[in-house]
Amino acid sequence: DQQVKQNSPSLSVQEGRISILNCDYTNSMFDYFLWYKKYPAEGPTFLISISSIKDKNEDGRFTVFLNKSAKHLSLHIVPSQPGDSAVYFCAASDSTNFGNEKLTFGTGTRLTIIP
Amino acid sequence: DAGVIQSPRHEVTEMGQEVTLRCKPISGHDYLFWYRQTMMRGLELLIYFNNNVPIDDSGMPEDRFSAKMPNASFSTLKIQPSEPRDSAVYFCASSNQNTIYFGEGSWLTVV
Repeated sequence: DQQVKQNSPSLSVQEGRISILNCDYTNSMFDYFLWYKKYPAEGPTFLISISSIKDKNEDGRFTVFLNKSAKHLSLHIVPSQPGDSAVYFCAASDSTNFGNEKLTFGTGTRLTIIP
Repeated sequence: DAGVIQSPRHEVTEMGQEVTLRCKPISGHDYLFWYRQTMMRGLELLIYFNNNVPIDDSGMPEDRFSAKMPNASFSTLKIQPSEPRDSAVYFCASSNQNTIYFGEGSWLTVV
């Protein structure tokens, strides 16, 4: 049972426009959410995170939004750049029971930025 | 720091053979994780250790899989016997309770 779902396996966006990647989760115990970025032949790298006490966290061109009632989060990248082309993984943890170390990942969304 | 180091980077083996994947975590990190990436299931947590002690191995697919961490700077993931469905990228990662850092992965192909 996939507790973290990324329903769009791929997304193409024009350079300079906004990229929006979506993620849904089913486990109501999840209280900490992260996005990881992965280039081919490399390991995933941490991008941005958000705690369930917030509904928005911003870091430069990257903003993560959390809608707890809908169990949905999204990653906005604006403006999109060619170097943003990568696979993006959404992840979640139940920090109350496991701490932030045990992450459940989604299946990933491949983002392609078109020059 | 060199980051999380995994070996081998690529392994092609025949069905039934034993496969051993190795990992050196970042020095000072007290958590070590083994993940498997497949197209269908994304990144799955197989097992993780805290201070060399296995904490949760509920993600280990079956008895053919085993993992050890004999000391703070080394861990192995062993598959015996290997099967074609084990073909995947296996990531080792370590953390200091804040951010998880991944290695570059070991690409396993079982034919």
